[in-house]
Amino acid sequence: DAGVTQSPTHLIKTRGQQVTLRCSPKSGHDTVSWYQQALGQGPQFIFQYYEEEERQRGNFPDRFSGHQFPNYSSELNVNALLLGDSALYLCASSTLRGSSTDTQYFGPGTRLTVL
Amino acid sequence: AQKVTQAQTEISVVEKEDVTLDCVYETRDTTYYLFWYKQPPSGELVFLIRRNSFDEQNEISGRYSWNFQKSTSSFNFTITASQVVDSAVYFCALSDRNTGNQFYFGTGTSLTVIP
Repeated sequence: DAGVTQSPTHLIKTRGQQVTLRCSPKSGHDTVSWYQQALGQGPQFIFQYYEEEERQRGNFPDRFSGHQFPNYSSELNVNALLLGDSALYLCASSTLRGSSTDTQYFGPGTRLTVL
Repeated sequence: AQKVTQAQTEISVVEKEDVTLDCVYETRDTTYYLFWYKQPPSGELVFLIRRNSFDEQNEISGRYSWNFQKSTSSFNFTITASQVVDSAVYFCALSDRNTGNQFYFGTGTSLTVIP
């Protein structure tokens, strides 16, 4: 049973560029959440996708956008990269059960470095 | 507002010692969920436990145990007879009905077990 997978593992970009990160959820999961984890900090919620729509969003600018595909996989796009966007980007998958909070299972992350 | 505080930034113990990681949370909701995750150097967050606000029973899983006390808004994690493989950063997280499936993480406690 494959867990959550993310690609690429590492990425180096320069300021102003755009980046796309990819995530495939755990088998049987239909919901994908994205988190940003700066060095020495806890993960910060970016947004969550369910049924191909953004269901919830954290306190991140519009430069951060996403997409979910019919097979439940997801992409995170960041435009006009800033030095402060350097972080570990984590994808988590879960299932929505009405208003209940399900456990989120995390992938290995993508380490983004902005120079 | 939701908040998770892990006051211990770094802890070092000698192998076979017991260690307790503290977690204090804030929420106005009466229905909420608490989680512990382990993050080894590889970066992936590994799920350890999920507890809902209506279940104050302490839980033991092998060398791991959790003490949930609503009266003090704490959800502490104890590792008995620590091993070198326990070295990692441990995160406590909170989710409630207001946040939906959004998790609020603490800043983590870095545990080093010295052989």
